[in-house]
Amino acid sequence: DTGVSQDPRHKITKRGQNVTFRCDPISEHNRLYWYRQTLGQGPEFLTYFQNEAQLEKSRLLSDRFSAERPKGSFSTLEIQRTEQGDSAMYLCASSLAVVGENTEAFFGQGTRLTVV
Amino acid sequence: GQSLEQPSEVTAVEGAIVQINCTYQTSGFYGLSWYQQHDGGAPTFLSYNALDGLEETGRFSSFLSRSDSYGYLLLQELQMKDSASYFCAVRGNFNKFYFGSGTKLNVKP
Repeated sequence: DTGVSQDPRHKITKRGQNVTFRCDPISEHNRLYWYRQTLGQGPEFLTYFQNEAQLEKSRLLSDRFSAERPKGSFSTLEIQRTEQGDSAMYLCASSLAVVGENTEAFFGQGTRLTVV
Repeated sequence: GQSLEQPSEVTAVEGAIVQINCTYQTSGFYGLSWYQQHDGGAPTFLSYNALDGLEETGRFSSFLSRSDSYGYLLLQELQMKDSASYFCAVRGNFNKFYFGSGTKLNVKP
């Protein structure tokens, strides 16, 4: 396993267009997280999944954002009607949660979105 | 809510020791993690403290005092490749992490 992979690495889109990002977590990991990082800031939590269930969404995640993890493996993050303020690095992370224990979270390389 | 404070930038010379402090206010706390991020790269895990005390991993050590809501990352024998941003992150419920704004470490020859 090569770790968490994200696709695409870079995306430039015009304001108002929809974009979709994909994350493939480490195969045995049951938890998957999406974060957003802007320049000079730390990653901000957006949402997370336990298997296929989306268990929490941050208030940062407006109605234009939707995330899915249909089979409990890969996940997609869609942004509809993009705005310039959506320009950021979108990071995916995964971890393994078992009863009484959590492993560290492993991050992907991120998708850098630029809205022009 | 969660709030983490760490210095925005630190400069040190090769071979030196540098300490990056982190103070936090949080409504749920399971531990403090440290991540390294090079420009354009992903955050990579360095260390995790769930209990008070010092954890040592090679040239890097991390300390936690839960009663003071304080921790630090200690980097010894600095190398040029250590130039990066370092983030402290509180591990909350369900293994969610809440990150500080990061400390940019500049290592000079």
